[in-house]
Amino acid sequence: GAGVSQTPSNKVTEKGKYVELRCDPISGHTALYWYRQSLGQGPEFLIYFQGTGAADDSGLPNDRFFAVRPEGSVSTLKIQRTERGDSAVYLCASSPGRNVYNEQFFGPGTRLTVL
Amino acid sequence: AQSVTQLGSHVSVSEGALVLLRCNYSSSVPPYLFWYVQYPNQGLQLLLKYTTGATLVKGINGFEAEFKKSETSFHLTKPSAHMSDAAEYFCAVSDLTGNQFYFGTGTSLTVIP
Repeated sequence: GAGVSQTPSNKVTEKGKYVELRCDPISGHTALYWYRQSLGQGPEFLIYFQGTGAADDSGLPNDRFFAVRPEGSVSTLKIQRTERGDSAVYLCASSPGRNVYNEQFFGPGTRLTVL
Repeated sequence: AQSVTQLGSHVSVSEGALVLLRCNYSSSVPPYLFWYVQYPNQGLQLLLKYTTGATLVKGINGFEAEFKKSETSFHLTKPSAHMSDAAEYFCAVSDLTGNQFYFGTGTSLTVIP
């Protein structure tokens, strides 16, 4: 079956611009996670959704970052006034439920480059 | 607070040799522990996980890991390396809520023919 998909796969933007990154989770998965992976680092937690609501957004680095999941399926990560330090691979993962026993399934990521 | 340390950012082994990738965690309570593998240009894939029960956990592709509470470790092993094992490996820990996962910085495994 279809896995987690993320679009675009690559995004190049200029400093100060606004970007949106999209995540399509596996159908029926209620939990959705966003991570950021900088070069040479492990994924860093950003935000976790259970259904439509953000259950934990403590990983968002500042108020330029925002994420939504209005219908409990597709999620969009939004970054305002991008900075060069935002360059990274942004990963999305989904899970069947909120229980930690449930495996997270990761998408291939969106590579964001801010010039 | 949780944290994960992976000793050795790069590990090289000969084909057929033992693979040992180290992971230590710090946690105020016993966590849940995971190993993920990332092949080039692919998403992370779960290798194995420890939640409760038997401390020796077997995963896919012949990998296994043992949770040692006294050593706060969760090292990943495979008796005989295969060329297809070359990838980036990440250890991760979750608190009991499962809301947040903390990943190590990763270990790049090279398998030498």
